[in-house]
Amino acid sequence: KNEVEQSPQNLTAQEGEFITINCSYSVGISALHWLQQHPGGGIVSLFMLSSGKKKHGRLIATINIQEKHSSLHITASHPRDSAVYICAVSSLNNNDMRFGAGTRLTVKP
Amino acid sequence: DAGITQSPRHKVTETGTPVTLRCHQTENHRYMYWYRQDPGHGLRLIHYSYGVKDTDKGEVSDGYSVSRSKTEDFLLTLESATSSQTSVYFCAISGTSRTYEQYFGPGTRLTVT
Repeated sequence: KNEVEQSPQNLTAQEGEFITINCSYSVGISALHWLQQHPGGGIVSLFMLSSGKKKHGRLIATINIQEKHSSLHITASHPRDSAVYICAVSSLNNNDMRFGAGTRLTVKP
Repeated sequence: DAGITQSPRHKVTETGTPVTLRCHQTENHRYMYWYRQDPGHGLRLIHYSYGVKDTDKGEVSDGYSVSRSKTEDFLLTLESATSSQTSVYFCAISGTSRTYEQYFGPGTRLTVT
């Protein structure tokens, strides 16, 4: 079983919809990361959080340490949000980062 | 954007040939990483470096070696490429620790025929 599980694997939405991507992990962590990978392949960091909630524009990331769960929300989705969103954790077990397989989001106009 | 480049960006090679991928950074970050990305898998760590000439193995290191002779360059070598090493390879850097925020290069698509 992967240490980091994301759901759903694929998500299609209409422009303007509210989107939620979920991430569950099974190891102790010092931080959780949300990354975005565009169709061109480049990977950028969106958030790094260890508690509570962070917001950047239309993106909101939350984490519940007790439940070992994080969510990434996108409000008023737009076709340019179409990308693969990757959850990763900074693991306390092995002082390393572990990555989920990603959620492919497609937002249709 | 963090100054990270990878070369080549695309490569097709034959089974059994040696291949070297290069990662170059201009950020003077201490930590550098090589990952591979395959469908259905998350990014998986191949090797990492925590300083010049200081490297260690990741979870999928078999068949790969690395070298770091300068702060800015981290080389990944496939001594004898196999078809299972067909993948997209990403270099990443971080300044503070191995578990802090990482910045990724553009990736190298390697096909082994």
